[in-house]
Amino acid sequence: ILNVEQSPQSLHVQEGDSTNFTCSFPSSNFYALHWYRWETAKSPEALFVMTLNGDEKKKGRISATLNTKEGYSYLYIKGSQPEDSATYLCASPSGTGTYKYIFGTGTRLKVLA
Amino acid sequence: EAQVTQNPRYLITVTGKKLTVTCSQNMNHEYMSWYRQDPGLGLRQIYYSMNVEVTDKGDVPEGYKVSRKEKRNFPLILESPSPNQTSLYFCASSSPGGQGWSGELFFGEGSRLTVL
Repeated sequence: ILNVEQSPQSLHVQEGDSTNFTCSFPSSNFYALHWYRWETAKSPEALFVMTLNGDEKKKGRISATLNTKEGYSYLYIKGSQPEDSATYLCASPSGTGTYKYIFGTGTRLKVLA
Repeated sequence: EAQVTQNPRYLITVTGKKLTVTCSQNMNHEYMSWYRQDPGLGLRQIYYSMNVEVTDKGDVPEGYKVSRKEKRNFPLILESPSPNQTSLYFCASSSPGGQGWSGELFFGEGSRLTVL
């Protein structure tokens, strides 16, 4: 089974700070890397889907990069705001011939006002 | 409005009493899947379906059944629920996209199930 790992497990930052988290995945048989934002009592919502090595995507103050050769993706949040508080999940398909998604356990971000 | 709808949202039941959690999407997505969320374990895939009448096991299928008779619906069936199936369940759908994996997952609002 493909192992998708995220770090840190949780972090607290002050409003206005910039922060980043890591998602690591096996680099063999790579198909795609998804990032989701999950607010408490809501359902996960897609931030980015990345497929190409070197991809960089941006949505407002949030951006992500992808390195498929070394098996990692970074998610960056610039100038964190309290409304950024959420759990950030990454997920990757598990390999040839199957359509299973393997999710990391998430990074729980708390932005303090 | 594009959405994935799950029902019920909350359910308390007893061991052995069959139940079905429904999932319906209005986006004409080919791919649908079920996940369970347990503390410290992340989202784990139970079953998925690539299209009508095509289903396959995820990583934790034991104790669950699914069916895909129509494109829009993908119910999750617990034939004889047990306490270890107490969890938060999410249904999701996507259109896989040109590369097969480039379509984002759209999640339902979740169904919190307690089995006593």
